[in-house]
Amino acid sequence: QKEVEQNSGPLSVPEGAIASLNCTYSDRGSQSFFWYRQYSGKSPELIMSIYSNGDKEDGRFTAQLNKASQYVSLLIRDSQPSDSATYLCAVRRKAGNMLTFGGGTRLMVKP
Amino acid sequence: GAVVSQHPSWVICKSGTSVKIECRSLDFQATTMFWYRQFPKQSLMLMATSNEGSKATYEQGVEKDKFLINHASLTLSTLTVTSAHPEDSSFYICSAGNRGSSGANVLTFGAGSRLTVL
Repeated sequence: QKEVEQNSGPLSVPEGAIASLNCTYSDRGSQSFFWYRQYSGKSPELIMSIYSNGDKEDGRFTAQLNKASQYVSLLIRDSQPSDSATYLCAVRRKAGNMLTFGGGTRLMVKP
Repeated sequence: GAVVSQHPSWVICKSGTSVKIECRSLDFQATTMFWYRQFPKQSLMLMATSNEGSKATYEQGVEKDKFLINHASLTLSTLTVTSAHPEDSSFYICSAGNRGSSGANVLTFGAGSRLTVL
């Protein structure tokens, strides 16, 4: 079992719709969770971080964390074509600053 | 915000040569930096953790004699791919941690270095 799992996609949504991206992790002791966006040929950029159960909203993005079920999700409201990218879920172990990444979900927002 | 500069962005080299990639934290000090590698259509794989003033910690399966890491100062870590071969062609990305506005540790990534070995 991979430490961090994501559906590779592609996930295709029409412009203006809500895109829902999911991620599960295996280490129950994980404490910090991150969503990164990566455009083709570029390095990842941080979108959201979440540390406690529940929802965290930032603009069009909402991160949801459920530690009991060991999943974290990212919702993108009013999806735009510019949101088309690969979204990486990352989990940090208890100790240190090292991140473990999921395989990424490719999102395609069609005009 | 925190900025991590990585250089060079692109490098093409002949098989058997060595290539050095630099990673600098521009506006903060980073005692720890991380080196990742990403093959096409795959996720980031951690290669090693670079520790200022001490030896790097390598992930299982990563050859420390091939991928030399030096973290001589709090703002600079270098990765040298020695005797590069075509299978080393990949996208190498460094990252460094610092305290975000919330006080929590966040990782900032460099722009990445795309290595092509002919």
